[in-house]
Amino acid sequence: QQPVQSPQAVILREGEDAVINCSSSKALYSVHWYRQKHGEAPVFLMILLKGGEQKGHEKISASFNEKKQQSSLYLTASQLSYSGTYFCGTESSGAGSYQLTFGKGTKLSVIP
Amino acid sequence: GAGVSQSPRYKVAKRGQDVALRCDPISGHVSLFWYQQALGQGPEFLTYFQNEAQLDKSGLPSDRFFAERPEGSVSTLKIQRTQQEDSAVYLCASSPRRGGAGQETQYFGPGTRLLVL
Repeated sequence: QQPVQSPQAVILREGEDAVINCSSSKALYSVHWYRQKHGEAPVFLMILLKGGEQKGHEKISASFNEKKQQSSLYLTASQLSYSGTYFCGTESSGAGSYQLTFGKGTKLSVIP
Repeated sequence: GAGVSQSPRYKVAKRGQDVALRCDPISGHVSLFWYQQALGQGPEFLTYFQNEAQLDKSGLPSDRFFAERPEGSVSTLKIQRTQQEDSAVYLCASSPRRGGAGQETQYFGPGTRLLVL
């Protein structure tokens, strides 16, 4: 089943913060976050493995709550370059081929 | 280094035509995935290869869709007798991971945008 992302869309001014959530009904092994700009390939941001870890580099970080099967992506002091659609891809425990199941995406627009 | 490449980038086909989409994964990557992305949606899994073996084709929507990776590197996704509902972006992704537990992610190509008229 497809993970649910929220919000569907968000508009920020440069410098503002945002949180994007990803929730699954299945037990998860990992969560992968990507950003996709129009007409381009999804670009990998980070992977979180079960264990409740939090990762980040500079102004983008993420957390994974294994018990709740939820992950959140945190964008701080947003820049114009952050604009795009953010997808979470989930890998279910024991899925076998470890394909990713993606949410419908969150469209982020950063304006000056 | 070079990333995942796909060709053609755009393809227009008349309904009923056959098409072939090519994926060149990152050199040395064992695993290769095909996804289909409809407009405004996230990618949806089609099929998975580990080297030349197609280990999962559960996402292929019909028997008109066929994928191969004969030498464990380049892969081709073929769609026979295309229909309008096949219009989408077809994404290829590769990974160094061999399956099972691991920390590696999937790296995507730019996709082939297919339009069936």
